[in-house]
Amino acid sequence: QSVLTQPPSASGTPGQRVTISCSGSSSNIGSNTVNWYQQLPGTAPKLLIYSNNQRPSGVPDRFSGSKSGTSASLAISGLQSEDEVDYYCATWDDSLNGVVFGGGTKLTVL
Amino acid sequence: EVQLVESGGNLVQPGGSLRLSCAASGFTFSSYNMNWVRQAPGKGLEWVSYISSSSSMTYYADSVKGRFTISRDNAKNSLYLQMNSLSDEDTAVYYCARNRLGKPDYWGQGTLVTVSS
Repeated sequence: QSVLTQPPSASGTPGQRVTISCSGSSSNIGSNTVNWYQQLPGTAPKLLIYSNNQRPSGVPDRFSGSKSGTSASLAISGLQSEDEVDYYCATWDDSLNGVVFGGGTKLTVL
Repeated sequence: EVQLVESGGNLVQPGGSLRLSCAASGFTFSSYNMNWVRQAPGKGLEWVSYISSSSSMTYYADSVKGRFTISRDNAKNSLYLQMNSLSDEDTAVYYCARNRLGKPDYWGQGTLVTVSS
């Protein structure tokens, strides 16, 4: 059971906008910023969003992040077939003294 | 370009030990905190351990506390994970990841640890 809660799956059609939620608590999301990662099959996770809503260089602006209270969200607009991979949220937990991850969301492009 | 290259993964028997290494390049290794994160086959990401830039602080997930030891050698730009008393639940790909603002940013390609008799 992951400390951060993500829906195990999400879906959308090409061109559509989808959002993936990440729910935590006051000791993690409530007091620290959130990162989002994209993981293609058989490869290492890649940083997609950092500090709640910042995109690293090279990440398309179709990807955006937000945070409110103890929850965060990843939004993907203009959905493309190549977006059909796994997404994870993560933050630091002040009570556990460690990084906590969501369980991951598998995105399906219908 | 930031590069993290893990090595040391192998097949090991239950109860055995293994030492993972991570060679860092492309950034000032001694200035960054580092993590080990693992991913069991078909499962999600699980944080394993953290070490501060000067090695003054180390943290562990409860699942590995007392069995795993994280360390680093800033002169060699290297990160290590000593794993003892391994069980089949430790079977996973182990990633070395640079820490920025409390979370991983750059990740290595991972090294596979398989615990089986």
